[in-house]
Order: sequence, then structure tokens, then C-alpha cells
Amino acid sequence: GNSVTQMEGPVTLSEEAFLTINCTYTATGYPSLFWYVQYPGEGLQLLLKATKADDKGSNKGFEATYRKETTSFHLEKGSVQVSDSAVYFCALSGFSGGGADGLTFGKGTHLIIQP
Amino acid sequence: DAGITQSPRHKVTETGTPVTLRCHQTENHRYMYWYRQDPGHGLRLIHYSYGVKDTDKGEVSDGYSVSRSKTEDFLLTLESATSSQTSVYFCAISSTGGGPYNEQFFGPGTRLTVL
Repeated sequence: GNSVTQMEGPVTLSEEAFLTINCTYTATGYPSLFWYVQYPGEGLQLLLKATKADDKGSNKGFEATYRKETTSFHLEKGSVQVSDSAVYFCALSGFSGGGADGLTFGKGTHLIIQP
Repeated sequence: DAGITQSPRHKVTETGTPVTLRCHQTENHRYMYWYRQDPGHGLRLIHYSYGVKDTDKGEVSDGYSVSRSKTEDFLLTLESATSSQTSVYFCAISSTGGGPYNEQFFGPGTRLTVL
């Protein structure tokens, strides 16, 4: 079946540091890949997505590239801010052949940015 | 923001009692999902719906049932709550249901505590 593996953290960085959160996946076929962000006490918000190999998703300074050869979708940001502190989830959508497809999530990475 | 509300937002109940959580959407999306979020597990799919009266099981469906009598409402019922069902429950909606563009939009969540 499908699975997503990501570093759980917490990951603690200083403001303006470079961020990488690793995500690797196992899936049949060609899944779509997503990063969601969850701020304290809130639901998940879609941060970015990629639907095919070599696609780069980007939003709010975050980027991730769909690497089929390494089955990875690592999240990066060049200069983090305190407001980026949140839990980040990597997820994939496959093709189950059923009535609909749920997303398969990683366990989440708690990111803490210190001033 | 996608128009998704969940009720109640918080609930404390006792073991053995029935509990119903409601998800309401104003987007007229065909597909709706229930997930639970637990530390160390990320989000896991409980049940989903691909139309009015059309539902199916997800990864962790034991002890849960669902109903969808209208496009806008998707109910999750715990017939006899157990302490292992203490969790945060999220509803999600999607216009595509699967495949490469299966973006899902999440509600604010319901925190359920079973004593």
C-alpha cells in the first residue's frame, strides 16, 4: 500500500535559517504529492502540490520538487520566520480504483522557529 | 477559505455513549472525508463519501459509521465510544475525489475526549 515517511522533529531553527524537511514515499503508479501546514489549534491548510515527476510546487517562499527517481518530495525554504512555526505534513493521493481516494499522510514534522 | 464547519468543536463524553460529529460544507463538493489525527500517526482516513448515500470505509473504520443524506452534510457516529477513540477528528472535502488533482480542504477539527 501507499506510505509516506517524514522526519518528525521537533525541528528547531533560528529565524532566517534555511529549512529542509525530508519526505519520501512509497506508492504504485504516479501519485500526486502535497504539503499541508497546521498552525496551533487549526485545521490543515494546503501549502503546495505537485502532480507529476519533476514538477515544482511553490507557495509563500516554500518549494518542493517531485523526484520520482528518489521517491522524494522534500520541503525547502530559504529563510524561515517565526510565523512559520507549525506542523508540516507530507501527503500523497493515489489511484485506488474505488469510489474516491483519501490522502495518505506522513506523521508530521513540528517546526519551531526561534527569534 | 473553503466553507467547511464542524460541530461540536469540543466534546467530552463517557465510555459506552453514542457520539455524532457533523461536517457541513457550502462548496457543493461531491467528495467528503473523515480523518482522525493522533500523535505519532499523522492523519488516518476513517470513512469517505463519493455522493449522497454513497460511502465507503477507510483505513481505520472499526467502531465508526457514517451517513450522508444531503450533499452538504456528512455525519460520523461512534456507536459506543471507547477511550481509544479520543482524538481530533477532521472533515475534508474535494471536488475531484481522486487522481492527480485530489486537493482536499479541511475543516477546523473536533477534539473528542472519551473518559
